[in-house]
Amino acid sequence: KNQVEQSPQSLIILEGKNCTLQCNYTVSPFSNLRWYKQDTGRGPVSLTIMTFSENTKSNGRYTATLDADTKQSSLHITASQLSDSASYICVVSANRGGGNKLTFGTGTQLKVEL
Amino acid sequence: GAVVSQHPSWVICKSGTSVKIECRSLDFQATTMFWYRQFPKQSLMLMATSNEGSKATYEQGVEKDKFLINHASLTLSTLTVTSAHPEDSSFYICSASGGGWVEQFFGPGTRLTVL
Repeated sequence: KNQVEQSPQSLIILEGKNCTLQCNYTVSPFSNLRWYKQDTGRGPVSLTIMTFSENTKSNGRYTATLDADTKQSSLHITASQLSDSASYICVVSANRGGGNKLTFGTGTQLKVEL
Repeated sequence: GAVVSQHPSWVICKSGTSVKIECRSLDFQATTMFWYRQFPKQSLMLMATSNEGSKATYEQGVEKDKFLINHASLTLSTLTVTSAHPEDSSFYICSASGGGWVEQFFGPGTRLTVL
């Protein structure tokens, strides 16, 4: 069964600090892995998308890593800001006949405080 | 990236009534649209996939007669919740792909509350 597990479930950090969110998956055949940011009451917004051959990808203060051998990914946020408070969702895409099927993690709820 | 909108952003209705939610791709032609439901503190759950001009494919456990999906054009899909009940209260999110884009772009979501 395709699954995506994220840790921690929730996290509170002080503004300006860094943090790393984890994602483990058992999805096959693997197509790509995406990290989304979802503000409360809003739809998910894409941060990064990584294919099998990519180890790291950055988008501003967000850096995602991917280890396709161990089926793990991380999202590192540097110099956190209050606006980073949101749910971060790891989504893995499986290559299926006729299209890609997405498997969503349950998300890490990040709260950045003063 | 491409832009997807939803309307309305929130709706409150009485039990037994029907509610229609619109999903539009604003700057690309969406050959495929997806409808998700998200309960508080849970992940998005795919309800159905619709391709323009054809019937939607529903996920296991989703009642197709209760959640009517229409994808009549390349820029518009609608989800109608028929005979809504309080347990249908949820956050409904659509996404769209197509027009050369591989990934799905998500709409801002619609909060449905059934009294």
